[in-house]
Amino acid sequence: EAGVAQSPRYKIIEKRQSVAFWCNPISGHATLYWYQQILGQGPKLLIQFQNNGVVDDSQLPKDRFSAERLKGVDSTLKIQPAKLEDSAVYLCATLMGDTQYFGPGTRLTVL
Amino acid sequence: QQQVKQSPQSLIVQKGGISIINCAYENTAFDYFPWYQQFPGKGPALLIAIRPDVSEKKEGRFTISFNKSAKQFSLHIMDSQPGDSATYFCAASPGNTGKLIFGQGTTLQVKP
Repeated sequence: EAGVAQSPRYKIIEKRQSVAFWCNPISGHATLYWYQQILGQGPKLLIQFQNNGVVDDSQLPKDRFSAERLKGVDSTLKIQPAKLEDSAVYLCATLMGDTQYFGPGTRLTVL
Repeated sequence: QQQVKQSPQSLIVQKGGISIINCAYENTAFDYFPWYQQFPGKGPALLIAIRPDVSEKKEGRFTISFNKSAKQFSLHIMDSQPGDSATYFCAASPGNTGKLIFGQGTTLQVKP
């Protein structure tokens, strides 16, 4: 069974630019999460989807971050405009039973 | 109340030794406590998990000890190996939400 796929793996942008991350979940996993992991910290939940509906986006900075899940499968996370403090690894995860399965993440550097 | 506090921040253990990482929580609504292992450049992967109806769970060299009254749980890695060198995160989930609140992480180095 293929795992959670994410792209790109690395991205370097200037502050105030826009960036988008893509996640392809494990087939059949209805619940999808985006996390932000700042260097030296644990992952922090940004948004949770159930199929293509948002369950929890209370921690998503909605003035600059947006996310969608197309047809309950792939998902994109966008930052517009990026700030220096957005430098982090963005992880996508899906849920089966109690277990969250994580992708490898996208490392974003904002200069 | 949503926090999970993890210690130590880093840990160095000799090969064959026991690695112990501790976590504490406040929210009594948490009912699922997993430990995740993360290697550099990879996403976290589930190592072992426990629910509060048991005080201990063992899988191979990895054991979770759970103290419900103290609101603490810990990961014990027996016979630690250099391949165990990674960052370990405890986490907690409030009942049936599927959400995880992670601790700050512990970087483990096992010296050969």
